[in-house]
Amino acid sequence: SAVISQKPSRDICQRGTSLTIQCQVDSQVTMMFWYRQQPGQSLTLIATANQGSEATYESGFVIDKFPISRPNLTFSTLTVSNMSPEDSSIYLCSVNLSGNTIYFGEGSWLTVV
Amino acid sequence: AQSVTQLGSHVSVSEGALVLLRCNYSSSVPPYLFWYVQYPNQGLQLLLKYTTGATLVKGINGFEAEFKKSETSFHLTKPSAHMSDAAEYFCAVSNFYGGSQGNLIFGKGTKLSVKP
Repeated sequence: SAVISQKPSRDICQRGTSLTIQCQVDSQVTMMFWYRQQPGQSLTLIATANQGSEATYESGFVIDKFPISRPNLTFSTLTVSNMSPEDSSIYLCSVNLSGNTIYFGEGSWLTVV
Repeated sequence: AQSVTQLGSHVSVSEGALVLLRCNYSSSVPPYLFWYVQYPNQGLQLLLKYTTGATLVKGINGFEAEFKKSETSFHLTKPSAHMSDAAEYFCAVSNFYGGSQGNLIFGKGTKLSVKP
């Protein structure tokens, strides 16, 4: 398995501000995925982050709102910009490791007030 | 396109009883199927996965799932429920063909309650 660390684990933010979530993996991976889990809901893919290229966003998610960086093969960040209470969610990063097994970090629990 | 349907948003069983969580999928290519568990206030933990080969897959904590292509199902079972199994369970489908690295499509989740 993989060790996937996310920071922050929890945060309470003021509306209108931005928050950057970090994801660190203990092995090199080609792609990292960012998901959102709204309260009481299932997970929805935000974007796929490939090292050295622009992230690919799913329908309903845009780069201006959720800019992503992928500076190397073990690290990625997701920024939630100009936050509103509707952005209150768990944000999870995941990776595809050998054997096509997909692992998740512990999540970053974000509350916007 | 792929999709997942989990029947029953909430399942309640008695401790020691059989656990059966239902998952049906739709996929135009051979699917990769996963079950994840989410304990309260925690992230997702992989229970088990099906890729190819043996259709009965054993996972952690005594759970297993059987891939049935004819029924497009991947139901999760455990012979005897334990109080610690109370959590939310997510079924997910992906594919790793055509260069896809396997982003997941999730079902809506089933919350399992275990009564003493």
